[in-house]
Amino acid sequence: AQSVTQLGSHVSVSEGALVLLRCNYSSSVPPYLFWYVQYPNQGLQLLLKYTSAATLVKGINGFEAEFKKSETSFHLTKPSAHMSDAAEYFCAVSENSGNTPLVFGKGTRLSVIA
Amino acid sequence: KAGVTQTPRYLIKTRGQQVTLSCSPISGHRSVSWYQQTPGQGLQFLFEYFSETQRNKGNFPGRFSGRQFSNSRSEMNVSTLELGDSALYLCASSAAPGAYNEQFFGPGTRLTVL
Repeated sequence: AQSVTQLGSHVSVSEGALVLLRCNYSSSVPPYLFWYVQYPNQGLQLLLKYTSAATLVKGINGFEAEFKKSETSFHLTKPSAHMSDAAEYFCAVSENSGNTPLVFGKGTRLSVIA
Repeated sequence: KAGVTQTPRYLIKTRGQQVTLSCSPISGHRSVSWYQQTPGQGLQFLFEYFSETQRNKGNFPGRFSGRQFSNSRSEMNVSTLELGDSALYLCASSAAPGAYNEQFFGPGTRLTVL
């Protein structure tokens, strides 16, 4: 069965520092992978998705993620954190070319310190 | 274009009661998915509807049910409420079914069961 593990329920970075949010997946078939962001009192918003094309995926707001099959990872990065990046981030996996329902990780809360 | 609308935004019920939550998708979207978000279990998929048909169902008891109308609006119902049903219920719409297609989330309905 597919699953997602997000290492670190809370990550804190200084403004301008590198953001690295970790995601490892388990899937018996080639997965589709997603990162979503949730701001307080709002729903989720798609940041980026991997669909078996380029392994380095660029998303909105300067975020990107790299699919590494050998490490079963899909870590999210951003070179320079902004205060507005403070939110909860969810990694998710889907199988069967994205036709199975999303399975989410537990989420990582990102805090940005001025 | 208006986003996904969920009503009501907040709801307080007592154990044993039933509740109906409503979701209006983005205009032109025909697929609606529902998720339950709790601090302990995180985000869990409930069901997905497309063209009034349930396409996928998550691992929830039969007390959780849903439907979709011809105008793509969707409702979910929870009968015989339990304390553990307290959660944020999120609805997401997409132009077509499957996680591959970008899902746009509403702000959620926060259900509290006393």
